[in-house]
Amino acid sequence: EAQVTQNPRYLITVTGKKLTVTCSQNMNHEYMSWYRQDPGLGLRQIYYSMNVEVTDKGDVPEGYKVSRKEKRNFPLILESPSPNQTSLYFCASRKWTSDEQFFGPGTRLTVL
Amino acid sequence: DAKTTQPPSMDCAEGRAANLPCNHSTISGNEYVYWYRQIHSQGPQYIIHGLKNNETNEMASLIITEDRKSSTLILPHATLRDTAVYYCIVRSYGGSQGNLIFGKGTKLSVKP
Repeated sequence: EAQVTQNPRYLITVTGKKLTVTCSQNMNHEYMSWYRQDPGLGLRQIYYSMNVEVTDKGDVPEGYKVSRKEKRNFPLILESPSPNQTSLYFCASRKWTSDEQFFGPGTRLTVL
Repeated sequence: DAKTTQPPSMDCAEGRAANLPCNHSTISGNEYVYWYRQIHSQGPQYIIHGLKNNETNEMASLIITEDRKSSTLILPHATLRDTAVYYCIVRSYGGSQGNLIFGKGTKLSVKP
């Protein structure tokens, strides 16, 4: 089944404790991205990647890192999480020549 | 700045057609109209997109006015599972144009 998977789905952590949210897609998509969703602010793009070893900042990149060493994986790294990064996070992917984005199920992160 | 305007909420009776309007008066010639929906905190789901002709797929129909300044998404026989927030997005197609800008959308409630 074609899908985007994210792990973990739920995470509660404390300020300053480094964490990684994994994202993987099995559709051989070139383009991958991360979004965060907050009440009243909608979905906002954090980082995106147009292909392996190519990443770029989205609208709200501060406090996040990403890497794209393999085509299928696009992990989101929070080196020193803070409470304002408490949010619902979505990973998405699409083919370069298409605009139908496939979204993962989401990761609900709480930073205490 | 938001490129689209949608009503914040709509109700629809189960089994009836749901017609969701979207205004995009500043759309440019190379921009497509996309519709996504998000069912309660799940990842957004692509529905349909179009440039200027009306489009139909297994999920919905998209009617774009001749001047392209507005469109309507039609769910022909709404079911309770169609209760979701529906987002109308305009942007150029594919390639490096990666960021989907989600506004507030229309919250559609399908009632028995």
